Amino acid sequence: DSGVTQTPKHLITATGQRVTLRCSPRSGDLSVYWYQQSLDQGLQFLIHYYNGEERAKGNILERFSAQQFPDLHSELNLSSLELGDSALYFCASSPRSGQGTQYFGPGTRLLVL
Amino acid sequence: QQPVQSPQAVILREGEDAVINCSSSKALYSVHWYRQKHGEAPVFLMILLKGGEQKGHEKISASFNEKKQQSSLYLTASQLSYSGTYFCGTETVAGGTSYGKLTFGQGTILTVHP
Repeated sequence: DSGVTQTPKHLITATGQRVTLRCSPRSGDLSVYWYQQSLDQGLQFLIHYYNGEERAKGNILERFSAQQFPDLHSELNLSSLELGDSALYFCASSPRSGQGTQYFGPGTRLLVL
Repeated sequence: QQPVQSPQAVILREGEDAVINCSSSKALYSVHWYRQKHGEAPVFLMILLKGGEQKGHEKISASFNEKKQQSSLYLTASQLSYSGTYFCGTETVAGGTSYGKLTFGQGTILTVHP
């Protein structure tokens, strides 16, 4: 158990819908990273927040957005969902901004029908 | 650009050794190694910072050749529990700052048989 929690574990929804994935980092960690893992794209970095501020963006679609709240938990919002958005979504946390170990949460498995 | 891992897959018997390589075309600040079992989260194994040091974790160790932008993961006397997909994640520095963005290789599937 990494200490990172994610909810929900599974999510099944229809195309065009909007969902919110939630992540709570390890106690004391200020950074949260979001990753998407799919069969064809592998494990891809989406976005990084440090202490409430966006620090880096990766291959994140415009339909996706994220934020980190004052209590340091983070939410990833996915809208206008498409079949291709079906994937495992992981968040990871670390104490600082970059240059350190990232501990992954258990992931949210999203299935878009 | 995604780092390249080799081999794509390895099949071992318990007790045998394996080496997994990770190569990048970019100057790296660090290399992170993870193991992932099917449907589970990647589990951190070790991190190597530039400096070419070798790190160890039980019977798993790794090296980082900064000049060649390559890292290797060494698994010795493999156990059944070593089975899984191994990923290297590379971190680069832009303008003197790393923002923790890890770019992962495509993974190496390791299977250990009794």
